[in-house]
Parts: sequence; structure tokens; C-alpha cells
Amino acid sequence: DAGVIQSPRHEVTEMGQEVTLRCKPISGHDYLFWYRQTMMRGLELLIYFNNNVPIDDSGMPEDRFSAKMPNASFSTLKIQPSEPRDSAVYFCASSLRQGARDEQFFGPGTRLTVL
Amino acid sequence: KQEVTQIPAALSVPEGENLVLNCSFTDSAIYNLQWFRQDPGKGLTSLLLIQSSQREQTSGRLNASLDKSSGRSTLYIAASQPGDSATYLCAVSFGGNQFYFGTGTSLTVIP
Repeated sequence: DAGVIQSPRHEVTEMGQEVTLRCKPISGHDYLFWYRQTMMRGLELLIYFNNNVPIDDSGMPEDRFSAKMPNASFSTLKIQPSEPRDSAVYFCASSLRQGARDEQFFGPGTRLTVL
Repeated sequence: KQEVTQIPAALSVPEGENLVLNCSFTDSAIYNLQWFRQDPGKGLTSLLLIQSSQREQTSGRLNASLDKSSGRSTLYIAASQPGDSATYLCAVSFGGNQFYFGTGTSLTVIP
């Protein structure tokens, strides 16, 4: 398996623009997680899905953030409108049926810079 | 709020030395604990996962231990190599479906 795939790897955009980050989990994994990593706050969970259904989105910072998982092999994290403070590395991770009871496998991340 | 702490924030050792990284957590009712490695500009690579019923896990030169009663886990790296230089993160699951991450220990192994 190719592992968790994220695109793009780098994104530079201007404040106010819409940003869409994409993730393909490992095939057969029922759980998908979106994290954000910054120097100040470390790694934070934004939202996670089980069988394509959002279970906990309490970590989503604002209504400007939204996430979808239309099928088992694809998820998006959208920021609209983007702001400079959204600059961070965004990671997607997936795990087998028991969620955090199993290992989480991370993608390479998307480094977002909002100017 | 669950808290996971890693001390020290940075560590520098000469090649060949054995070393221990520490992770502490505030709630002893953990479900499992996972150690990760992160190289600069890269994602996280899973190293070891310890279930709450286990006391340690080993993989090659790595050994992770878990002491739930004291709220601590250690990652032991034997015979360190320059290639071990990275940031090491521990993540704890308290029974829900998410991990809480520590802030990491940045390790530098000097040739």
C-alpha cells in the first residue's frame, strides 16, 4: 500500500482565498483524522471520521473550516476564507476499525502558507 | 483536559550512547500509547504502540515502556546513531477515538 496520500504538499495562497486540502487514507482503514501542527500549539486534532461519518469536529477552530469524506477513499479539508493564522502543516492520518486503539498512520502533510 | 508532556524539549548526545526519552500524562486511565518519529519537513512515522495491558514493546534498538500508575512512558534508544536524529512524539489515547500528542523531544545524535 502507498500509505496515506495528501495533496498538495505545499500550498501558498493569499488571505481571503479558499484552500482545499486532500487526503486518501490507507485502503481498508475505517477511521480518518485531520490534524494541524504549529510551533506554538504542537499537533492538534481537528476532526475525525468513522466510516465516512464525522464523529468529533470539536477541534475545528472556526466555521471557516469544514471537512468532508464523500467516500472511503477520499477526504477534504477546506478553509474559506483563509487567514494568515491558518498557516501550519496539516496532516491526515488513518487507522483500522478500532480508531485510536490501533496505530495511526500519517500522511506526509500539506504545508500551508497564507500571505 | 488531557495533558501529555515530554521532557526534555531537546536532547543532544554523542553517537553510540544509550538514551531515554520521557513522556508523562495526567490521566492513568489510558487505552494505549504510541511513539512516533518526525523528520524535519516530513510526516510522522509510527515506531511503537503499547496497549494499556502491556508494560513494554520492543522493535530493534527501540524499547518503549509504560507505567500507568505513575503516568509515564519511556522510549529507550540503544547505541544511538546520527540517523536517529529527529523529533520524537508520544501520543496517548484515553479510550476515545483520538490521540493526545506531546510537544515532542528533538534529538540530535552527534557523529
